[in-house]
Amino acid sequence: KNEVEQSPQNLTAQEGEFITINCSYSVGISALHWLQQHPGGGIVSLFMLSSGKKKHGRLIATINIQEKHSSLHITASHPRDSAVYICAVPGGSQGNLIFGKGTKLSVKP
Amino acid sequence: DAGVIQSPRHEVTEMGQEVTLRCKPISGHNSLFWYRQTMMRGLELLIYFNNNVPIDDSGMPEDRFSAKMPNASFSTLKIQPSEPRDSAVYFCASRSSSPLHFGNGTRLTVT
Repeated sequence: KNEVEQSPQNLTAQEGEFITINCSYSVGISALHWLQQHPGGGIVSLFMLSSGKKKHGRLIATINIQEKHSSLHITASHPRDSAVYICAVPGGSQGNLIFGKGTKLSVKP
Repeated sequence: DAGVIQSPRHEVTEMGQEVTLRCKPISGHNSLFWYRQTMMRGLELLIYFNNNVPIDDSGMPEDRFSAKMPNASFSTLKIQPSEPRDSAVYFCASRSSSPLHFGNGTRLTVT
């Protein structure tokens, strides 16, 4: 079973700072997902990536398949970025995901 | 597209009562997942359906939990009898390929 570790667990930043959240997994995968959970509880898929880098607005996700590691970066962070960011990898059964415990980000104005 | 619709949003019940959570997936999605989220364990898969057929229910904690998907547009997760340790947020999600689309969750409190 794949083990997913995220760091840090909690992160507080000042508005405008560059944010990095890390995710490591133990078993090789075909793709990795980054999700965002808003303070109200809703979960949104941000990225699915299998190699290299993807960018969407101020969010950048990178993955190194050989090192079994992915990072999520937020440039010019803003208080509205405050959320829990969760990485997930394919699980044992087709279509399932195994989730990290999440990184709680708080961006202060 | 209304997204994945879950009901109720909140449920408070007493120990021993039956609880039924409902989910309407996005039209056209052929896979449906039920997840439970707790502070201690994060998000965990309970059961996964593909084309209305349960594929993996290894995450269902015990016989008190059951899930059905009678058709492509509706699924239920039932807990009978409920216990305080079942208190959590229960998410339904659906997909056809990627990405996974989540409902807003049902926050269950069992007293």
